[in-house]
Amino acid sequence: DTEVTQTPKHLVMGMTNKKSLKCEQHMGHRAMYWYKQKAKKPPELMFVYSYEKLSINESVPSRFSPECPNSSLLNLHLHALQPEDSALYLCASSQLNNWANTGELFFGEGSRLTVL
Amino acid sequence: KQEVTQIPAALSVPEGENLVLNCSFTDSAIYNLQWFRQDPGKGLTSLLLIQSSQREQTSGRLNASLDKSSGRSTLYIAASQPGDSATYLCAVRGGYQKVTFGIGTKLQVIP
Repeated sequence: DTEVTQTPKHLVMGMTNKKSLKCEQHMGHRAMYWYKQKAKKPPELMFVYSYEKLSINESVPSRFSPECPNSSLLNLHLHALQPEDSALYLCASSQLNNWANTGELFFGEGSRLTVL
Repeated sequence: KQEVTQIPAALSVPEGENLVLNCSFTDSAIYNLQWFRQDPGKGLTSLLLIQSSQREQTSGRLNASLDKSSGRSTLYIAASQPGDSATYLCAVRGGYQKVTFGIGTKLQVIP
């Protein structure tokens, strides 16, 4: 099983709403990532979790709040977003070898977010 | 800072043709390079991973090569099919184990 599952596939929210994106993998990967992708652009890294600890935050605004409740799950909590935050949000995972984060990346299908 | 360039930005070929997609990177100190395909509005599908110590990897009709010293990788697709139409992205894992993506090559295979 090389699957990363993301829900929901589509989300529309107003600027005052609070919503969450969810990501799940059962490959035993201990590194999990959130990426943001705008149209015709490559994915941009937002956050990395290594062994369920936040290891990288690419200076993401606090209206995005990640959470890694266990080794299989990754959430992205959304609050007070702006229309420019509309994008495809991609979750990915990879193996870790003693904190060496050089494994193959596996991506989910993404959550398409529209902020009105 | 690592920069990854993919040429061409778009490519249109007739079905059955063999084709080559190019990826170049500025810092040769890499751990690995990964090729992905992305269909419109979808996630990224891993095609091939080449470790820095390897020269090439093959999977079915796909062959990827890596020349680390010159900062180049190529993805060769044999006997292209309409189902190969997608955007192909190259991603390099380099310093601090950070992954840098190219902007992609949009491929259209015409029946």
